[in-house]
Amino acid sequence: AQKVTQAQTEISVVEKEDVTLDCVYETRDTTYYLFWYKQPPSGELVFLIRRNSFDEQNEISGRYSWNFQKSTSSFNFTITASQVVDSAVYFCALSEGISGTYKYIFGTGTRLKVLA
Amino acid sequence: EPEVTQTPSHQVTQMGQEVILRCVPISNHLYFYWYRQILGQKVEFLVSFYNNEISEKSEIFDDQFSVERPDGSNFTLKIRSTKLEDSAMYFCASSETSRTGELFFGEGSRLTVL
Repeated sequence: AQKVTQAQTEISVVEKEDVTLDCVYETRDTTYYLFWYKQPPSGELVFLIRRNSFDEQNEISGRYSWNFQKSTSSFNFTITASQVVDSAVYFCALSEGISGTYKYIFGTGTRLKVLA
Repeated sequence: EPEVTQTPSHQVTQMGQEVILRCVPISNHLYFYWYRQILGQKVEFLVSFYNNEISEKSEIFDDQFSVERPDGSNFTLKIRSTKLEDSAMYFCASSETSRTGELFFGEGSRLTVL
């Protein structure tokens, strides 16, 4: 069975603080993909990043960075110098399998509130 | 930028009524999905669709649910006889490839069953 755990239900920070959202996953597959999606108050799901299981290189995109650690089965997401517009629910997701189509298993999400 | 579009954005229906939610995936995508999010909860997989057939479905996707791609562009989710617990946001998604491709989600259709 696959499982994605986002232990932080809600985080509040003050603008300009850095914040890290945790994601821990479980899978028996050696090949899998991890994703982060943002769900702003308007409700849509916005793709942020994809990472495959063979690429442990950390990635930075502007104020966003991701730390993928296979040894601890974690794929954490850091926002540097947070802004009010970062306020949203963030979901981590896992996709695994060898062939066919794949369902994404989403974590329960972390609600981030950035206060001005 | 191409996007997934969903209609209606919000539908209110009486328990026991049939509902059809419509989606237009991104045109060159081959894989289509429906997900559901009960208010404040996690996003749950319902069904995936490829090559004009269901490729996988969850335990939520029982006989009351069906999907089809009637005309090569629309992708629909039908709930035959709605229940109160079907109230949720329903997201359509599409992807160019299966496992490796990111899902592009529509803005969702909020279904309220009274």
